[in-house]
Amino acid sequence: EIVMTQSPATLSVSPGDTVTLSCRASQSISNGLAWYLQKTGQPPKLLIYAASNRAPGVPDRFSGSGSGTEFTLTISTLQSEDFAVYYCQQYRTWPPALTFGGGTKVEIK
Amino acid sequence: EVQLVQSGAEAKKPGQSLKISCQGSGYNFANYWVAWVRQMPGKGLEWMGFIYPVDSDTRYNPSFEGQVTISVDKSTDTAYLQWARLQASDTATYYCARRGRISGMYVVDVWGQGTTVTVSS
Repeated sequence: EIVMTQSPATLSVSPGDTVTLSCRASQSISNGLAWYLQKTGQPPKLLIYAASNRAPGVPDRFSGSGSGTEFTLTISTLQSEDFAVYYCQQYRTWPPALTFGGGTKVEIK
Repeated sequence: EVQLVQSGAEAKKPGQSLKISCQGSGYNFANYWVAWVRQMPGKGLEWMGFIYPVDSDTRYNPSFEGQVTISVDKSTDTAYLQWARLQASDTATYYCARRGRISGMYVVDVWGQGTTVTVSS
């Protein structure tokens, strides 16, 4: 079973800052990683798929990188609507399965 | 518009049964795997299982196998998650989601709005 570990658990930042969130897989997952943003009371929203591809409609201030076991999500020039919880997710094509990281909360300092 | 619409919030007592639903629209529902994901209060996301509507092929997270049943009705483009006997620990929000494809790559891209289940005596 693959375990996904996100760090840090919480980031306290100011609007306009640039932040980097980390996600580590317990074994190599190639580029099978996605990033989601979740606001309170809402479902997750897809940001990044295949480690570095922005989903349709996602602003270019969001960027993903990495492969194998180490991945990062960078958010440039944080906007007020970006304060939320971010999850990484590993997905196995066959048989289909998902594993989520524990999440990183990006909060206003 | 591609969307998944889930059934409304439920309040149940321990030991009762429950079946919640997730109806797809705006796409060929039968040809896309549907996932169920649990989120306990204040906690993270946990994948419960996938179902493929074409043939009802179902894959469970071992942590949830035997605890819930995932099913589908192709005629109504609806997936279901059910419990035979609820426990207080089943209190959570449950999401359904579609495994789609973007630029040829599989990704969970569309989510339902969530169904909150509260189990309390």
